[in-house]
Order: sequence, then C-alpha cells, then structure tokens
Amino acid sequence: SQTIHQWPATLVQPVGSPLSLECTVEGTSNPNLYWYRQAAGRGLQLLFYSVGIGQISSEVPQNLSASRPQDRQFILSSKKLLLSDSGFYLCAWSVASGGPRDPYFGPGTRLTVL
Amino acid sequence: RKEVEQDPGPFNVPEGATVAFNCTYSNSASQSFFWYRQDCRKEPKLLMSVYSSGNEDGRFTAQLNRASQYISLLIRDSKLSDSATYLCVVKTAGGYNKLIFGAGTRLAVHP
Repeated sequence: SQTIHQWPATLVQPVGSPLSLECTVEGTSNPNLYWYRQAAGRGLQLLFYSVGIGQISSEVPQNLSASRPQDRQFILSSKKLLLSDSGFYLCAWSVASGGPRDPYFGPGTRLTVL
Repeated sequence: RKEVEQDPGPFNVPEGATVAFNCTYSNSASQSFFWYRQDCRKEPKLLMSVYSSGNEDGRFTAQLNRASQYISLLIRDSKLSDSATYLCVVKTAGGYNKLIFGAGTRLAVHP
C-alpha cells in the first residue's frame, strides 16, 4: 500500500530564518506531488505541484520554492520566512492519470513563524 | 468571489439530528466534486465523491446541481464521531489534479 511521510510534524521558526520541509511517498511510482498550505480558519491553498522529477509548477507567487530531486521526494523551501508563512503545510500525492479517490494527504507540518 | 464557498458554521447539533452542508462553486467548467473531512489538527481525508445523479454512502448523501453550481452533503442520524470540519472540493479540468478547497464548515455533534 502507499504511504506518505512528512517531517517535521511541528516547527517554530523566527522571521528571516530558512525553511526546509520534506515529503516522501512509498509504494507508488511517478506520482503527481503537491504542496498545500492551510492558514488558520481558511481553506487549503495549492502552492506547488509536480508531475515528474525536476518539474515544478507554482500556483501562487511567494517567497517559497519547491524541488523534486527524486521521483518520490518533494521538498518545500524558503530562504527567509515571513510571519505570513505560518500555517499547516500538507504534502499530497495522486496517481498521474488522476484516480477517483485521490489525492491523498500526508500528516502535515504545522509551522509557526515568530 | 471565492472559487468555492461554504458556510463556515459552526453547526452545533444533537446526536441523531440531520445536518446539511451547502457549497457553491464559480467555475462552470469544473468537472469533479468531492467532500473531504478534516479532524482537528489533522490532514483532510476523502469522505465521498459527488456524482451528477447524486450518491449515498450509509448515512451520507451527496448531491450536485450543475445548473446552479451547487453541491450538498446531508448527514442523517448524526454521531458524536461525525464532529469535524467538512470541506467542499472542486476539481478543475486539466492535466493534473488541481483541487480547489472551500474553507470548510465545522460540525459539532453533542450528546
């Protein structure tokens, strides 16, 4: 079966510090990968998606970036965090062709920027 | 206007009540529709897809009205364990699964 891992589960970072969140998927090949952010009291916002290694599309311009160095690894980064970057970051995967019951979400990273 | 709009709630209902969630979407080209459930401080999980003819899964009934761009979820005989936030989700046409999430409606079922 497929599983998706994210770490860390929680993170508290000062403004201006760098960020690296990692997501890995097991049990599937060539998945579509996604980074979503959920701010307090708001819906999930799609930040990035990737259909393959090295292929990243950004949905929202911001100070975050994403990379996909391996087929089942997706990394979210920032050089300098802003207060507005606080939120619940969720990685998700789906089959490339799009299935009826996906995407599937990882457990998320709760980021607080102080 | 938000792409997917939901009543934020919260809905506070007693056990056994019937509760209805409503959702509207703005993109008439949207092709697929879902309801996700999100427990407090957890990731969203797919509850059910919404089909044009309407569909039922136990106590849960989902309906879609494409003409009105409206989706609904009905929960009958509410249980304490139904307490969660219910997210309306719309999938746009295109080559990847771009899902647009509503902000969610919080449900609290009390004894």
